[in-house]
Amino acid sequence: GENVEQHPSTLSVQEGDSAVIKCTYSDSASNYFPWYKQELGKRPQLIIDIRSNVGEKKDQRIAVTLNKTAKHFSLHITETQPEDSAVYFCAATLPSSKAAGNKLTFGGGTRVLVKP
Amino acid sequence: GAGVSQSPSNKVTEKGKDVELRCDPISGHTALYWYRQRLGQGLEFLIYFQGNSAPDKSGLPSDRFSAERTGESVSTLTIQRTQQEDSAVYLCASSLGQGLQPQHFGDGTRLSIL
Repeated sequence: GENVEQHPSTLSVQEGDSAVIKCTYSDSASNYFPWYKQELGKRPQLIIDIRSNVGEKKDQRIAVTLNKTAKHFSLHITETQPEDSAVYFCAATLPSSKAAGNKLTFGGGTRVLVKP
Repeated sequence: GAGVSQSPSNKVTEKGKDVELRCDPISGHTALYWYRQRLGQGLEFLIYFQGNSAPDKSGLPSDRFSAERTGESVSTLTIQRTQQEDSAVYLCASSLGQGLQPQHFGDGTRLSIL
């Protein structure tokens, strides 16, 4: 099955700096890669996703890049703000034809702390 | 409803008891997923329902775990003879269906086994 590794496990940045989180996946057939933000005690919130036919996607201060050859994808947050502090999870899923539905395989999470 | 709704939000029970967790998906979402999140860890897939197809149970950790879904609505996750290692947050998600559809999560049920 799919395996997703996420690094770093914790990340502390100064407000205004950039934060980068990296994930690798094992199954080259994976074709959908969402990122979730989870604040303490709250539900995971989808913040951005990317499909395997795209190399990069941006949404305001957030961007995701995908390298299919190397089987890794990254989340970039620019101009970080204190409200960006949370745990971020990457995930990957295989095509429906290979696995029933789109069950997500998650990375272990990155705890991001933005210091004012 | 506006989002995925789960109940109860918290459940404390004694080891050996059975528990039942409920999930109401977003209206119109045919796909429903259950995940488990242990403290400080990522989410682990448990089970998936899509319409009237047979569920994908490949993530259920033991035969003490089971889940049902009535049509394309409410789902219940049942854990029999609970053990302390079952303590976790159980999260439900729904999506529009198969294909590359984003999954939207509920707030989860925090289960504590004494």
